[in-house]
Formats: sequence, C-alpha cells, structure tokens
Amino acid sequence: DAGVIQSPRHEVTEMGQEVTLRCKPISGHDYLFWYRQTMMRGLELLIYFNNNVPIDDSGMPEDRFSAKMPNASFSTLKIQPSEPRDSAVYFCASKPPNSYEQYFGPGTRLTVT
Amino acid sequence: KNEVEQSPQNLTAQEGEFITINCSYSVGISALHWLQQHPGGGIVSLFMLSSGKKKHGRLIATINIQEKHSSLHITASHPRDSAVYICAVLETSGSRLTFGEGTQLTVNP
Repeated sequence: DAGVIQSPRHEVTEMGQEVTLRCKPISGHDYLFWYRQTMMRGLELLIYFNNNVPIDDSGMPEDRFSAKMPNASFSTLKIQPSEPRDSAVYFCASKPPNSYEQYFGPGTRLTVT
Repeated sequence: KNEVEQSPQNLTAQEGEFITINCSYSVGISALHWLQQHPGGGIVSLFMLSSGKKKHGRLIATINIQEKHSSLHITASHPRDSAVYICAVLETSGSRLTFGEGTQLTVNP
C-alpha cells in the first residue's frame, strides 16, 4: 500500500485565495483525521471522519475552514478565503477498524502571503 | 496546564548516550503514541501502547497508567536519531489525539 497520500505537498497562495488540500487514506481504513501543525501551537486536530461522516469538527478554527469526505477514498480540506495565519503544515491521517494506531500522510506545507 | 506535557523540550546528546524523554498527561486515555518527526519530514508512529513496555531495536517505550506517565528511551543514540519526538494520547472519550509540544533531540557525532 502507498500509505496516506496528500496533495499538493507544497502550496503557496496569496491572501484571499481559496485553497484546497487533498487526502487519500489507506484503503480499508474507516477513520480519517485532519491535523494542523504550527510553530506556535504544535499539532492540533481540526476534524475527523468515521465512515465518511464528520464526527468532531470542534478543532476547525472558523467558518473559513471546511472539510468533506465524499467517499471512503478521498477527503478535502478547504480554506476560503485564506489568510497569512493559516500558514502551516496540514497532515492527514487514517486509522483502520479496531485499532488505535493512526498512519500519517507526508503533509502539505501551506504558505499564504 | 496542557493536558499532555513533555520534558525536556530540547535535548542534546553525544553519540552513544542513553536518552530518556518523558511524557505526563492529565486525562483518561485509551492509548498513548510516540511519534517521530524529522526536519521537513512527515510523522512516523514509533509506538502505540496502553500498558507496560514495548521495544523496537534501540527504542523502548514504557507507560505507567496509574501515574499517567510514559517514557521513551533510546539506547546507544546515533546522529540519525536527531528528530522531534512527540507524545500523543488518545482520550477515552473518543478518537481524538491530544499532542505534547514535542522534544527536539540532537545527537552529535
């Protein structure tokens, strides 16, 4: 298996633009997590899905952030409009059934200028 | 007070030294993860444990549920062990991970 796949790996955009980050979880995994990592706050959970249904989105910073999981093999995290303070590394992770272990993707480094 | 606290925040060692990184938490947990992150790199899960001790090569992780404390040990440290080590707990209330701030380890040759 290729592991969790994220795209793009790097994204540079201007303030006010829409940004879409993509994640393909490991096949067979039923949980998907979106995390954000910054120097100031470290790693934080933004939202997670179970069987494509959002379970906990309490970590989503504000209405500019939205996440979807239209099927078991794809999820998106969208920021609209983007702001410089959104600059961070965004990780996607997935988890198989009946296991506590999460598998992380390589991350997307987002820079908003 | 953070729910997950790691110490030390930064650690510099000489190659070959025995290294210990500590993690304390204040919530009820189902499991605890130790993660490794290299500069500019992704996150790799080293261990997941809910009791006792696990060993993988030169790495050993222990957890004391009663004391809400875990340690990560590296024996015969090597410069390639230089990375950030992150403790994360899975709270019993759900599936969310709560992370410590990480320990930056530098092993000099």
